[in-house]
Amino acid sequence: SQTIHQWPATLVQPVGSPLSLECTVEGTSNPNLYWYRQAAGRGLQLLFYSVGIGQISSEVPQNLSASRPQDRQFILSSKKLLLSDSGFYLCAWSLGFYSYNEQFFGPGTRLTVL
Amino acid sequence: DQQVKQNSPSLSVQEGRISILNCDYTNSMFDYFLWYKKYPAEGPTFLISISSIKDKNEDGRFTVFLNKSAKHLSLHIVPSQPGDSAVYFCAASANSNFGNEKLTFGTGTRLTIIP
Repeated sequence: SQTIHQWPATLVQPVGSPLSLECTVEGTSNPNLYWYRQAAGRGLQLLFYSVGIGQISSEVPQNLSASRPQDRQFILSSKKLLLSDSGFYLCAWSLGFYSYNEQFFGPGTRLTVL
Repeated sequence: DQQVKQNSPSLSVQEGRISILNCDYTNSMFDYFLWYKKYPAEGPTFLISISSIKDKNEDGRFTVFLNKSAKHLSLHIVPSQPGDSAVYFCAASANSNFGNEKLTFGTGTRLTIIP
Protein backbone atom coordinates (compact mmCIF):
# COMPACT_ATOMS: atom_id res chain seq x y z
CA SER A 1 0.00 0.00 0.00
CA GLN A 2 1.04 3.58 -0.55
CA THR A 3 2.12 5.87 2.25
CA ILE A 4 3.20 9.48 2.35
CA HIS A 5 5.55 10.96 4.93
CA GLN A 6 6.17 14.56 5.87
CA TRP A 7 8.62 16.01 8.33
CA PRO A 8 8.95 17.75 10.59
CA ALA A 9 5.46 17.74 12.09
CA THR A 10 5.92 21.17 13.66
CA LEU A 11 8.48 23.89 13.12
CA VAL A 12 9.07 27.28 14.67
CA GLN A 13 11.46 29.49 12.75
CA PRO A 14 12.55 33.14 13.03
CA VAL A 15 11.88 35.60 10.26
CA GLY A 16 14.69 35.55 7.71
CA SER A 17 15.78 31.98 8.40
CA PRO A 18 15.81 29.26 5.70
CA LEU A 19 13.25 26.51 5.36
CA SER A 20 13.31 22.95 4.11
CA LEU A 21 10.30 20.65 4.34
CA GLU A 22 10.51 17.15 2.97
CA CYS A 23 7.89 14.80 1.64
CA THR A 24 8.37 11.23 0.48
CA VAL A 25 5.95 8.72 -0.98
CA GLU A 26 6.25 4.95 -0.77
CA GLY A 27 4.52 2.19 -2.68
CA THR A 28 3.97 3.90 -6.01
CA SER A 29 6.00 5.05 -8.99
CA ASN A 30 5.94 8.29 -10.95
CA PRO A 31 3.30 9.97 -8.81
CA ASN A 32 2.14 13.53 -9.25
CA LEU A 33 3.29 15.45 -6.17
CA TYR A 34 1.81 18.58 -4.65
CA TRP A 35 2.51 21.18 -1.97
CA TYR A 36 -0.44 23.00 -0.40
CA ARG A 37 -0.70 25.60 2.33
CA GLN A 38 -3.63 26.08 4.65
CA ALA A 39 -3.40 29.49 6.29
CA ALA A 40 -5.46 30.24 9.39
CA GLY A 41 -9.16 30.37 8.51
CA ARG A 42 -8.56 29.74 4.84
CA GLY A 43 -8.85 26.87 2.42
CA LEU A 44 -6.15 24.79 0.81
CA GLN A 45 -4.00 26.77 -1.56
CA LEU A 46 -1.98 24.86 -4.15
CA LEU A 47 1.60 26.13 -4.12
CA PHE A 48 3.48 23.76 -6.41
CA TYR A 49 2.91 20.55 -8.30
CA SER A 50 5.17 18.17 -10.14
CA VAL A 51 4.39 15.53 -12.77
CA GLY A 52 7.96 14.17 -12.86
CA ILE A 53 11.55 14.50 -11.64
CA GLY A 54 12.79 18.04 -12.07
CA GLN A 55 9.41 19.25 -13.35
CA ILE A 56 7.92 21.89 -11.06
CA SER A 57 4.92 24.09 -11.73
CA SER A 58 4.36 27.10 -9.49
CA GLU A 59 0.80 28.20 -8.90
CA VAL A 60 1.28 31.46 -7.04
CA PRO A 61 4.15 33.94 -6.85
CA GLN A 62 5.72 33.68 -3.43
CA ASN A 63 8.73 33.42 -1.24
CA LEU A 64 8.94 29.64 -1.58
CA SER A 65 10.43 27.18 -4.05
CA ALA A 66 10.06 23.45 -4.64
CA SER A 67 12.28 20.71 -5.98
CA ARG A 68 11.87 17.08 -6.90
CA PRO A 69 15.32 15.47 -6.83
CA GLN A 70 13.95 11.91 -6.91
CA ASP A 71 10.78 10.29 -8.22
CA ARG A 72 9.11 10.06 -4.82
CA GLN A 73 10.69 13.00 -3.01
CA PHE A 74 9.33 16.53 -2.97
CA ILE A 75 11.00 19.37 -1.08
CA LEU A 76 9.63 22.80 -0.18
CA SER A 77 12.23 25.47 0.52
CA SER A 78 12.75 29.10 1.30
CA LYS A 79 15.94 31.13 1.59
CA LYS A 80 14.40 33.70 3.95
CA LEU A 81 11.11 33.12 5.73
CA LEU A 82 8.51 35.85 6.10
CA LEU A 83 5.85 36.15 8.80
CA SER A 84 3.24 35.48 6.13
CA ASP A 85 4.77 32.06 5.45
CA SER A 86 3.21 30.73 8.65
CA GLY A 87 0.63 28.04 8.04
CA PHE A 88 -0.08 24.35 7.76
CA TYR A 89 1.81 22.81 4.85
CA LEU A 90 0.51 19.69 3.22
CA CYS A 91 2.13 17.38 0.72
CA ALA A 92 -0.05 15.18 -1.47
CA TRP A 93 0.32 12.65 -4.22
CA SER A 94 -1.88 11.26 -6.96
CA LEU A 95 -1.53 8.71 -9.72
CA GLY A 96 -0.05 10.33 -12.78
CA PHE A 97 -1.55 10.58 -16.24
CA TYR A 98 -5.03 9.40 -15.32
CA SER A 99 -8.14 11.28 -16.21
CA TYR A 100 -9.72 11.10 -12.80
CA ASN A 101 -7.89 10.47 -9.58
CA GLU A 102 -8.04 11.72 -6.05
CA GLN A 103 -5.11 13.13 -4.16
CA PHE A 104 -3.80 11.58 -0.97
CA PHE A 105 -2.43 13.88 1.69
CA GLY A 106 0.35 13.59 4.21
CA PRO A 107 -0.02 14.49 7.90
CA GLY A 108 1.17 18.07 7.35
CA THR A 109 3.74 20.41 8.90
CA ARG A 110 2.70 23.27 11.15
CA LEU A 111 5.09 26.15 10.47
CA THR A 112 5.17 29.17 12.73
CA VAL A 113 7.38 32.08 11.72
CA LEU A 114 8.15 34.49 14.57
CA ASP B 1 -10.68 34.65 -7.76
CA GLN B 2 -12.30 31.87 -5.77
CA GLN B 3 -13.44 29.33 -8.36
CA VAL B 4 -14.79 26.93 -5.75
CA LYS B 5 -16.87 28.43 -2.97
CA GLN B 6 -18.23 27.05 0.24
CA ASN B 7 -20.35 29.88 1.56
CA SER B 8 -21.11 28.34 4.93
CA PRO B 9 -18.01 28.40 7.12
CA SER B 10 -19.74 26.34 9.79
CA LEU B 11 -22.73 24.05 10.29
CA SER B 12 -24.16 22.37 13.39
CA VAL B 13 -26.41 19.33 13.10
CA GLN B 14 -28.05 17.08 15.66
CA GLU B 15 -26.76 13.53 15.80
CA GLY B 16 -28.90 11.22 13.67
CA ARG B 17 -30.17 14.00 11.42
CA ILE B 18 -29.04 14.81 7.89
CA SER B 19 -26.05 17.07 7.27
CA ILE B 20 -26.03 18.95 3.99
CA LEU B 21 -22.86 20.73 2.90
CA ASN B 22 -22.95 22.94 -0.15
CA CYS B 23 -20.41 23.97 -2.74
CA ASP B 24 -20.60 26.27 -5.77
CA TYR B 25 -18.15 26.63 -8.62
CA THR B 26 -17.65 29.12 -11.41
CA ASN B 27 -15.36 27.34 -13.88
CA SER B 28 -17.45 25.49 -16.47
CA MET B 29 -14.38 23.42 -17.42
CA PHE B 30 -14.48 21.54 -14.12
CA ASP B 31 -15.51 17.96 -14.80
CA TYR B 32 -14.60 16.09 -11.64
CA PHE B 33 -15.54 16.95 -8.08
CA LEU B 34 -14.40 15.60 -4.75
CA TRP B 35 -15.14 15.97 -1.08
CA TYR B 36 -12.44 15.74 1.57
CA LYS B 37 -12.73 15.52 5.32
CA LYS B 38 -10.12 17.05 7.59
CA TYR B 39 -9.52 16.70 11.31
CA PRO B 40 -7.36 19.29 13.13
CA ALA B 41 -3.60 18.92 12.64
CA GLU B 42 -4.08 16.15 10.07
CA GLY B 43 -4.06 15.97 6.31
CA PRO B 44 -7.40 15.82 4.49
CA THR B 45 -8.76 12.40 3.63
CA PHE B 46 -10.71 11.64 0.50
CA LEU B 47 -14.38 11.00 1.09
CA ILE B 48 -16.32 10.74 -2.15
CA SER B 49 -16.19 12.00 -5.72
CA ILE B 50 -18.41 12.52 -8.72
CA SER B 51 -17.78 12.87 -12.41
CA SER B 52 -19.66 15.47 -14.43
CA ILE B 53 -21.36 12.70 -16.40
CA LYS B 54 -23.32 11.79 -13.27
CA ASP B 55 -25.66 13.74 -11.05
CA LYS B 56 -25.46 11.51 -7.99
CA ASN B 57 -22.96 9.23 -6.32
CA GLU B 58 -23.62 7.31 -3.14
CA ASP B 59 -21.26 5.58 -0.73
CA GLY B 60 -22.79 4.35 2.49
CA ARG B 61 -23.97 7.31 4.55
CA PHE B 62 -22.47 9.80 2.07
CA THR B 63 -24.14 11.00 -1.10
CA VAL B 64 -22.90 13.71 -3.44
CA PHE B 65 -25.29 15.49 -5.79
CA LEU B 66 -24.17 17.50 -8.79
CA ASN B 67 -26.28 20.14 -10.55
CA LYS B 68 -24.21 21.19 -13.56
CA SER B 69 -26.63 23.83 -14.79
CA ALA B 70 -26.48 25.57 -11.42
CA LYS B 71 -22.76 24.82 -10.97
CA HIS B 72 -23.60 23.46 -7.56
CA LEU B 73 -22.82 20.31 -5.65
CA SER B 74 -23.78 19.11 -2.22
CA LEU B 75 -22.72 16.42 0.20
CA HIS B 76 -25.39 14.68 2.24
CA ILE B 77 -24.47 12.72 5.34
CA VAL B 78 -27.23 10.64 6.84
CA PRO B 79 -27.47 9.77 9.62
CA SER B 80 -24.91 12.17 11.05
CA GLN B 81 -22.58 10.78 13.69
CA PRO B 82 -20.28 12.51 16.21
CA GLY B 83 -17.23 11.23 14.31
CA ASP B 84 -18.39 13.25 11.31
CA SER B 85 -17.40 16.45 13.11
CA ALA B 86 -14.60 17.85 10.96
CA VAL B 87 -13.88 20.42 8.28
CA TYR B 88 -15.17 19.40 4.86
CA PHE B 89 -13.53 20.67 1.70
CA CYS B 90 -15.06 20.62 -1.72
CA ALA B 91 -12.59 20.33 -4.63
CA ALA B 92 -12.83 20.40 -8.40
CA SER B 93 -10.60 19.63 -11.35
CA ALA B 94 -10.57 20.07 -15.11
CA ASN B 95 -9.10 17.67 -17.63
CA SER B 96 -5.81 18.74 -19.18
CA ASN B 97 -2.98 17.16 -21.17
CA PHE B 98 -1.89 15.36 -17.99
CA GLY B 99 -5.37 14.37 -16.92
CA ASN B 100 -7.07 15.96 -13.94
CA GLU B 101 -3.83 16.65 -12.14
CA LYS B 102 -4.79 19.82 -10.30
CA LEU B 103 -7.47 20.31 -7.69
CA THR B 104 -9.01 23.63 -6.75
CA PHE B 105 -10.28 23.59 -3.18
CA GLY B 106 -13.01 25.55 -1.48
CA THR B 107 -12.45 27.28 1.85
CA GLY B 108 -14.11 24.51 3.84
CA THR B 109 -17.14 24.09 6.09
CA ARG B 110 -16.70 23.12 9.74
CA LEU B 111 -19.35 20.54 10.60
CA THR B 112 -20.21 19.97 14.25
CA ILE B 113 -22.45 17.08 15.17
CA ILE B 114 -24.30 17.70 18.41
CA PRO B 115 -24.86 14.54 20.50
